[in-house]
Amino acid sequence: ETGVTQSPTHLIKTRGQQVTLRCSSQSGHNTVSWYQQALGQGPQFIFQYYREEENGRGNFPPRFSGLQFPNYSSELNVNALELDDSALYLCASSLNDIASYGYTFGSGTRLTVV
Amino acid sequence: AQTVTQSQPEMSVQEAETVTLSCTYDTSESDYYLFWYKQPPSRQMILVIRQEAYKQQNATENRFSVNFQKAAKSFSLKISDSQLGDAAMYFCAYRSYNNDMRFGAGTRLTVKP
Repeated sequence: ETGVTQSPTHLIKTRGQQVTLRCSSQSGHNTVSWYQQALGQGPQFIFQYYREEENGRGNFPPRFSGLQFPNYSSELNVNALELDDSALYLCASSLNDIASYGYTFGSGTRLTVV
Repeated sequence: AQTVTQSQPEMSVQEAETVTLSCTYDTSESDYYLFWYKQPPSRQMILVIRQEAYKQQNATENRFSVNFQKAAKSFSLKISDSQLGDAAMYFCAYRSYNNDMRFGAGTRLTVKP
């Protein structure tokens, strides 16, 4: 059973650029959630995808967008990067969007905006 | 809105001793789930233990146990016989039906040999 895989592991971008982060969910999982974790803080919910549809969104501006594909892998896109977007971006998958299931997390993508 | 509070930014424990990490949460819902996650330097969040709010019995997983006080909205994690490998950031998390998982700010646990 494969876990959650995220790519790339590290990324450096310039302010104003666009970035795409990728996530492959754990085998059998159909729900993917994305979190932003600033240094020294807990993860903050960005949005969740369930069966290719957005299923909830946190307090993030529209320049944060996402996709989920038929194989349940997912992308997080961030446009017009700002310095404050520098953070660890975590992807988590689960089976269905049922609250009882804990998430399986990937190791994250460290994004640095300069 | 549901919030999760971890009031201890850092904790330290001697190897083989016991340590308790605190967590409180705020919710108006009656059915929900609580979790403790461990985040080592490798960055991957690892599920340590889970508690269903409708269960009065406290969850236990080997050396890890919780003290769940629903009325007080408290959910502490006890680590017994601490090991060097337990050193990490620990996050308390809350999730209810049709809602995302909310995390506290974390507690950094140091284990001294």
